[in-house]
Parts: sequence; C-alpha cells; structure tokens
Amino acid sequence: AQTVTQSQPEMSVQEAETVTLSCTYDTSESDYYLFWYKQPPSRQMILVIRQEAYKQQNATENRFSVNFQKAAKSFSLKISDSQLGDAAMYFCAYRSAISGATNKLIFGTGTLLAVQP
Amino acid sequence: DTGVSQDPRHKITKRGQNVTFRCDPISEHNRLYWYRQTLGQGPEFLTYFQNEAQLEKSRLLSDRFSAERPKGSFSTLEIQRTEQGDSAMYLCASGTMGQPQHFGDGTRLSIL
Repeated sequence: AQTVTQSQPEMSVQEAETVTLSCTYDTSESDYYLFWYKQPPSRQMILVIRQEAYKQQNATENRFSVNFQKAAKSFSLKISDSQLGDAAMYFCAYRSAISGATNKLIFGTGTLLAVQP
Repeated sequence: DTGVSQDPRHKITKRGQNVTFRCDPISEHNRLYWYRQTLGQGPEFLTYFQNEAQLEKSRLLSDRFSAERPKGSFSTLEIQRTEQGDSAMYLCASGTMGQPQHFGDGTRLSIL
C-alpha cells in the first residue's frame, strides 16, 4: 500500500521569504502523480501544484515549485516570496496512474504554515 | 464552473441518529469521491463513483455508511446510528480521468 509522510506538523516563514515543506512517500508503482493541496482555515481544499512521476523536470506554478526526487521518493514544495495569503494547511498527496485505478488520493497528515508579517 | 457544492456545511446531531449529506459535483465530471477528515489529519478515502457505479469502497466505510449517486449526477452519503467517532469533516471531490480532483467545502459533522 502507498503511504505519504509529512514530518513537519508546523512551519513558520516571514513574509517575502522562502520556505520549503517536506514530503516523502512510499510506493512500488512506477507511474503515479504527486500533488500539493492547500487548505485555508474553514475553506476549500485547493490544488497548488502537481507532478507526473514520468517527468524529470520539476513542476512550477508562479511562486510555487517542487523538488521531485523519484529515487529518494521525496517531493518537497518551495514557496518563494511568501505572502500572508499563503498561510494554510498544506497536504502532500499521491495518486496512482495505473490504468483502471480509481485515482483516489492518499494524503499526508499536513503541514500548518504560518506567515509572519 | 460553479464548483463542487456540499450541503449542509454543518450538521449537529445526537448519537444514534441518522444523517445524510449531499454533494453536487462539477457538471461535466463523471468521477466523484468521498473523503473523511478528522482534526489534525489528512483526508482519508471513503468511496468512489464513476458515473452512477460505486466502484470502490474503503474498509473505513462500515455497514452503517451508504453512498449513492443516482443517474451519475449528485451523490448522497448516509450514516446510520451515528457514533462519536463519526465526528469529522466529510469532503466530496469530483474529477475526470487523468485530471486533478476538485473539492467542495465539506460538511462538518458533530455528534453530541
């Protein structure tokens, strides 16, 4: 079975600074997707960024980028130029890309990011 | 795109009562998922529909839980004889094959 581990329950960053959130996962599958989702307090879960395992190039979305290390099964999220609106719970998630799979997401326990003004 | 809609946002009930939640997915999405999220944890998969067919159920989904998706449109999740341990946020997500899932705001269930 696949597992996702986020070892940082809480992180803090100063506004305009850079922060990196860690995620490791375990799988025996070769084809899969990895995601970072953001969940602001009492608000909807929003997709931040996704990475296809077959792609060597790290995904980027504006101020958000990932460091995907397939051999190490590591998938960290870097937030540059942090803004107050980035404060939220961040979840790392895994999804199988095997044909016929349900595409269900397997989540880590989350990292609560605080942004200090 | 009106997004995934869940109703109600909050539900408070006494232990032993039955509750039903509704999820309206994004209209063109044929896949619908239910997840449960307890405090301090990530969401856990409960069940999955492709169109009207329920194709996978987690072992977390005891026989007190039932989900339906008639006509492949909205879905309902019913919990019978609620227990304290059922207190959680119930999240619905929808999507299409190969695309990321879009989540609703969730229904927060509190058992008195």
